[in-house]
Amino acid sequence: SQQGEEDPQALSIQEGENATMNCSYKTSINNLQWYRQNSGRGLVHLILIRSNEREKHSGRLRVTLDTSKKSSSLLITASRAADTASYFCATDAGNQGGKLIFGQGTELSVKP
Amino acid sequence: KAGVTQTPRYLIKTRGQQVTLSCSPISGHRSVSWYQQTPGQGLQFLFEYFSETQRNKGNFPGRFSGRQFSNSRSEMNVSTLELGDSALYLCASSPTTGNTGELFFGEGSRLTVL
Repeated sequence: SQQGEEDPQALSIQEGENATMNCSYKTSINNLQWYRQNSGRGLVHLILIRSNEREKHSGRLRVTLDTSKKSSSLLITASRAADTASYFCATDAGNQGGKLIFGQGTELSVKP
Repeated sequence: KAGVTQTPRYLIKTRGQQVTLSCSPISGHRSVSWYQQTPGQGLQFLFEYFSETQRNKGNFPGRFSGRQFSNSRSEMNVSTLELGDSALYLCASSPTTGNTGELFFGEGSRLTVL
């Protein structure tokens, strides 16, 4: 079964609005990553946050991590139509070398 | 620097056949992982290879196998194909093993089993 559960499954917003996606996981982790996937394409790494970090920023992206609640959120500010994609969180499942466990993803649609 | 290259990008097979997919990692990357993506099950880990050794394996039947060559290129094979094997197969590379950082994904090989 998937380690990560994402919420919402789908999100539709207007350009310029902020988009927030949430991810929950089940076991202890060393780090959590977020990836983006345009339809039918490969995944692109967005950001990695380590278990001892609470917040991280990269451009218009802000990620938070709450290890006590086993949850993370990804905020995209001032969204653009080009942000339309599926977003996945992925955890390392605690030292299971080379294996990432992905959530089911959030499908984001940004309307111009 | 060239990205991760997967071939073929699309292929159609019939039940019972076998298929081999190829992945060339980013130059200098020694770890190659494979994932299966389907609408129902999402992204699932198949296996990881590092320095020609399988380091980890997901929960897939023995029909799914892989290998890595000395130049870090990797292949995966699926034998006796079933309809449920229709999926996007994604390969990812990284410089090291152990989930210490990001994975670099290829564009995938989309397999359709009829």
